[in-house]
This record gives sequence, structure tokens and C-alpha cells, in this order.
Amino acid sequence: QVQLVESGGGVVQPGRSLRISCAASGFIFGNYAMFWVRQAPGKGLEWLAVLSYDGNYKHYADSVKGRFTISRDNSNSTLYLQMNSLRAEDTAVYYCARRSNTGITLLWDPMDVWGQGTTVAVSS
Amino acid sequence: DIQMTQSPSFLSASVGDRVTITCRASQDIHTYLAWYQQEPGKAPKVLIYGASTLKSGVPSRFSGSGSGTTFTLTISSLQPEDFATYYCQQIHAYPLTFGPGTKLDFK
Repeated sequence: QVQLVESGGGVVQPGRSLRISCAASGFIFGNYAMFWVRQAPGKGLEWLAVLSYDGNYKHYADSVKGRFTISRDNSNSTLYLQMNSLRAEDTAVYYCARRSNTGITLLWDPMDVWGQGTTVAVSS
Repeated sequence: DIQMTQSPSFLSASVGDRVTITCRASQDIHTYLAWYQQEPGKAPKVLIYGASTLKSGVPSRFSGSGSGTTFTLTISSLQPEDFATYYCQQIHAYPLTFGPGTKLDFK
């Protein structure tokens, strides 16, 4: 079945780095744009980043621009989020999600498949 | 950036009730709006996109309407599994933005 599984979360000290992953299965990963979304404890959803199906186009939220990098390995059906200079306010559950339609555009269609999330806690 | 607001923030209701949640965008987003449901401890699930198109497999008691800056999500007859938090999201422009959520709980 269509599935996304995040991994790599954990506890990290402020200022340090962490890379989280999202393994896709059950669909042709290389055909879909992918997103990262996070949810701080007790808070709402925050979109972080999007990457086109071919890796050539990306956008970031201002809150992570310059610190986080989204990337993908289509040969291994895996999405990544490299997080540098982590702050306490980055503590959250991080979800990867798939854009519901294939194609070059990064807009107009919802996130139709979500992973279960991986928890990142930034604390000294 | 496009700001999204939702009302109410909290909604108490009973099984069988009809409820409506409103979402407003700070500028015209046409119909590029999605609604998500999130149960505690779970990932969000898309219910409606294009403001009014029901995602395949979503019960027909859910419906969406609106265009421009004002949108609504209606649940025609609440079922026990509908008590969750609901988010709207604009997909018109980057950065994508979600509304703050509406928590629906038992009266």
C-alpha cells in the first residue's frame, strides 16, 4: 500500500544538526513533489518545505530558510530534511507528505499521503 | 504571506449535530483550499480540496464550499469518529499556510 515512513528523529542540543528521512513505498516516488510539515507540541500545523519531483524546484518557510535543506533520492524513494543550527522552537513532530498529483507545478493540490511523523526535541 | 483564520477555535457538539467551520484567507485564493482532519496522535488526513471536492473515501456527510476569501466545512450529522481537530490550508501561493485549527469535541 501507499506509505510514507519517517525516521531519524531524536533529542539534539541547540545549535547542532540532525537529518531526518522519509521512506516511500507503494507508489512511484520520483513522480511526486514532496513536503515537510511540522507540529510543535499542542500547536497547529506548519508547512516547512517542498521539493519538486525531480529535485529542481524548492521552497522554504521563512522560519527555516537558510537552516534547513530538503532533498530527495529518487533511486531509493527517500526524502530528507537536513536541519542545522537547531533551536528550541524547532521541537516538533515532523511529517513528510506527498502532493496528490504528479506534474511540475508545486501548487493547487493537497497533501494526500502523510507519514506517521518523527519527533525532534531540541534541548540541552 | 497569506494569513488563514478559522472560527470557531473550539466547538462542542453532540452526535447527530450539524456543524459548520469557517476559514478565511487574507487575500483571494480562488478555490485553492483544502480541509484536513487530525485525530489526537495521528497524522492529518485530507477531506476536501479545491474548496468543495470530496476526497475519495471520505464520507458524504462532509462538504465544503466557498471561494475567494471565505470558506466553510460542514459536517451534516456528526459521528463519534468526527471528534477531531480540523485545519484549512491555502494552496494558492508559497509559503503554504494552514489555519490555526478548530477542535471539535463532545458537548
